[in-house]
Amino acid sequence: NAGVTQTPKFRVLKTGQSMTLLCAQDMNHEYMYWYRQDPGMGLRLIHYSVGEGTTAKGEVPDGYNVSRLKKQNFLLGLESAAPSQTSVYFCASSYSRSSTDTQYFGPGTRLTVL
Amino acid sequence: GQSLEQPSEVTAVEGAIVQINCTYQTSGFYGLSWYQQHDGGAPTFLSYNALDGLEETGRFSSFLSRSDSYGYLLLQELQMKDSASYFCAVNGGNAGKSTFGDGTTLTVKP
Repeated sequence: NAGVTQTPKFRVLKTGQSMTLLCAQDMNHEYMYWYRQDPGMGLRLIHYSVGEGTTAKGEVPDGYNVSRLKKQNFLLGLESAAPSQTSVYFCASSYSRSSTDTQYFGPGTRLTVL
Repeated sequence: GQSLEQPSEVTAVEGAIVQINCTYQTSGFYGLSWYQQHDGGAPTFLSYNALDGLEETGRFSSFLSRSDSYGYLLLQELQMKDSASYFCAVNGGNAGKSTFGDGTTLTVKP
C-alpha cells in the first residue's frame, strides 16, 4: 500500500494564478482532510470530506475549494493564489470518526506564492 | 470552539524522561491524540486516549484526565531520534475532525 500520496511535492505560483493539489489514498478510508501548516504552528483544517461526493468547510476555508468525486481522491483548489496562502499543505485520511481517530498523513506539498 | 495549549519547547538529555503537557477547552470531546513530526516530514500518529488513564506503547505513554481537560505524553529512555515536534489534537466528535495544538519542539541532547 502506498498510503496517502500528494502531488505535487513543491510548487511556486505567482499571485492570481490557480492550481489544484491532488491527494490519493489506497486504504479505503471514508474520511479525508486538507490541512495547512505555517511555520512554528500546528495544523489548521481547511476542508474535509466524510465520504464520496461530500465536502465541508473546516477552520480556514476561505480562498480554497475542494472536490471528492472518487472515494480515493480529494482535490484542493486555489482559484486565485495569494501570498498568504504560502504554506505546507497536508492531506490526511481516516477510516472513521469513532475508532482511534488515527489520521494518516501524506508527505505534504510545499507551496510558495510570490 | 476548541483550543489547546502545550509548551512551545522542551529540552532533555539522552536517556532521560520527558513529559509534554496539553490542556484543552472544547465544546465536545471524543478523545485526545498525539502526533510526532520530524522537521520537514509528515505528522505520524503516536497514541490516542478516549478514556481517563494511561496508555502505554513502548517507550511512549499518554495520559488523559477528562475532568481536568488535561493530558500528557511521556517519553522514556530518550533517544536522539526523538528530537521532533509533538502535537496534541482533540477530536471534538464532529465528523472526526481534530483540532491541533501549536506543537512542542523537543530537543534531545547528548
